[in-house]
Parts: sequence; C-alpha cells; structure tokens
Amino acid sequence: DTGVSQDPRHKITKRGQNVTFRCDPISEHNRLYWYRQTLGQGPEFLTYFQNEAQLEKSRLLSDRFSAERPKGSFSTLEIQRTEQGDSAMYLCASSEGVGETQYFGPGTRLLVL
Amino acid sequence: DQQVKQNSPSLSVQEGRISILNCDYTNSMFDYFLWYKKYPAEGPTFLISISSIKDKNEDGRFTVFLNKSAKHLSLHIVPSQPGDSAVYFCAAAGWDAGNMLTFGGGTRLMVKP
Repeated sequence: DTGVSQDPRHKITKRGQNVTFRCDPISEHNRLYWYRQTLGQGPEFLTYFQNEAQLEKSRLLSDRFSAERPKGSFSTLEIQRTEQGDSAMYLCASSEGVGETQYFGPGTRLLVL
Repeated sequence: DQQVKQNSPSLSVQEGRISILNCDYTNSMFDYFLWYKKYPAEGPTFLISISSIKDKNEDGRFTVFLNKSAKHLSLHIVPSQPGDSAVYFCAAAGWDAGNMLTFGGGTRLMVKP
C-alpha cells in the first residue's frame, strides 16, 4: 500500500460551480478525516468517519459541504455553489482507529475564481 | 481562539546544529501530541508523537519534550540537515474528541549548509 491518495491534486473552478474530491485511505484504516488548510495556517478539522458512519462535523462545514464514505473505504467531499473563500488545500487523513497516528494524503488544492 | 500556538513563524539554523521548535497549548483536555513536517504541495508527514503520560520521546535525530504544567512541547532535531528544511506543525488531540487534531500555525525551518 502506498499510503493515502487524493484525487484530483488540483482543481480550478468558477464561483458557483460544484466540485467533488475523492480520498482513498490506507487499506484497513477504519478512520478517515478531512481537514482544510489555508495559506499560512495549520490544517483545520472538518469531519471524520468511523467506517461508513460520519461521527463529527466541524462548524466550518457549512450546508454547502457534504462528505460521504458509503462503503467504509474511499470518501468523497463535495462543495456546492463554491465561493472564493473555499479556496484552500483539502487534506484527507486515515488512521487504524482511536488513538492511532493519522497519515495524510497529498491534498487537493482548490482555487475558486 | 487558538488552542495550539506556534509563536515562531520561522527559524534558521546552521547545518549540524540543534533545531528547537516550540509549541504551546491551552486546552487541558489534550493528552496526545504530534509533530508533522510539510513540504510545499505535499500533505503533512508524521514525524513523532508523545502521550501525556510521558515527558520525552526519541526517534533518531528527533526528540519531543512535553511539559504538561506549562502546557508546552518542543521538538529537537539534532543534528540538523538541509533536508530538514520544511514547515513543521505541532498538533494536539484529546481522547474524548475522536482524536480530531488541532494544529498550530506552523514554523518554517531553514537549515543552511
């Protein structure tokens, strides 16, 4: 296994469009996390899954954001009606479980024009 | 309200010398701390962690120290190498929060040959 993968690596979109990102965690990692990082800041937690169940959502995750992990493997993060303020690096991480180290993917850099 | 702070945005060190990166936290519920290294256009890479039952953890050239009474941790890199040049993030988690990570703002380390 080569680690956490994310697709696409880069996305440029126009304001108002919808975008969807995919994350494939390390095999058999049952926890999957989404974070967002803006320039000059550390990553900020968005949401996480235990298998297919979404257990926690940050107040940063507005109604325009939705995340799924339908079969407890890969996850998608969708942003509807994108705004310029959504421009950021979206990071996915996975871990074996509670208290285990989170390993990050390379991120998807979103630019909303 | 920043619960994890890295007060030095940048640090410059000569190759072969010690690099000391500092991190302060305010939430007394945090009991697990990690350091990640990040290169541009990549996701954070896990370096080393420490739980609150310890005050020191070593892994090769990297040592993390935790001072719970001061709510302070530090990462020591000895000897520093040019390849260590990157942005370093400290992160904290509490067992009751699903292990979502709260990150500091990062410190850019430059190791000069």
